[in-house]
Amino acid sequence: DAKTTQPPSMDCAEGRAANLPCNHSTISGNEYVYWYRQIHSQGPQYIIHGLKNNETNEMASLIITEDRKSSTLILPHATLRDTAVYYCIVTWYKLSFGAGTTVTVRA
Amino acid sequence: GAVVSQHPSRVICKSGTSVKIECRSLDFQATTMFWYRQFPKQSLMLMATSNEGSKATYEQGVEKDKFLINHASLTLSTLTVTSAHPEDSSFYICSAKVDTYEQYFGPGTRLTVT
Repeated sequence: DAKTTQPPSMDCAEGRAANLPCNHSTISGNEYVYWYRQIHSQGPQYIIHGLKNNETNEMASLIITEDRKSSTLILPHATLRDTAVYYCIVTWYKLSFGAGTTVTVRA
Repeated sequence: GAVVSQHPSRVICKSGTSVKIECRSLDFQATTMFWYRQFPKQSLMLMATSNEGSKATYEQGVEKDKFLINHASLTLSTLTVTSAHPEDSSFYICSAKVDTYEQYFGPGTRLTVT
């Protein structure tokens, strides 16, 4: 599976959009981009996934660059409950978790 | 989204005993389930892939005789930690594939070996 690079941490203000970047320059043609998050001491929660088109669901939007070498997860209106570790994973089958980005939403 | 449960949520056992953790898909059938382990302040590490009706596939470095996995039905996979030792204390999390693309996680089981 292709490796991903995410910033270790970021802060964002409650009510504002949170944009989480992820680099995956070695992604191959059949690999999807997945985003999960883990709130402390809980199992990871699925957020969204995509192949090459931008995707949106009730939780977030996923923007994938045309060359697929990077992506951005957008939480449109961050709340305190969005404080978590966010994982960007590139795979066609098994999910391998890196260090992720610790997102802290501040009031 | 699909719901995955784990039982128990917390367990304390004595060194040398065995502990069984159950993972169930509540509202869907899962032909493939995964088991992960997470130590404090670390990320999840994949231990094994479990396919219904066949032997589990273990990741490199995971002892298959110590971590017994059974996936006897489309809704249940079990992980048994045999002869547990304090270094096996960890957060064990299972997940289940809903379809080709989506995978949902259980809430995790906190194992403490004394």
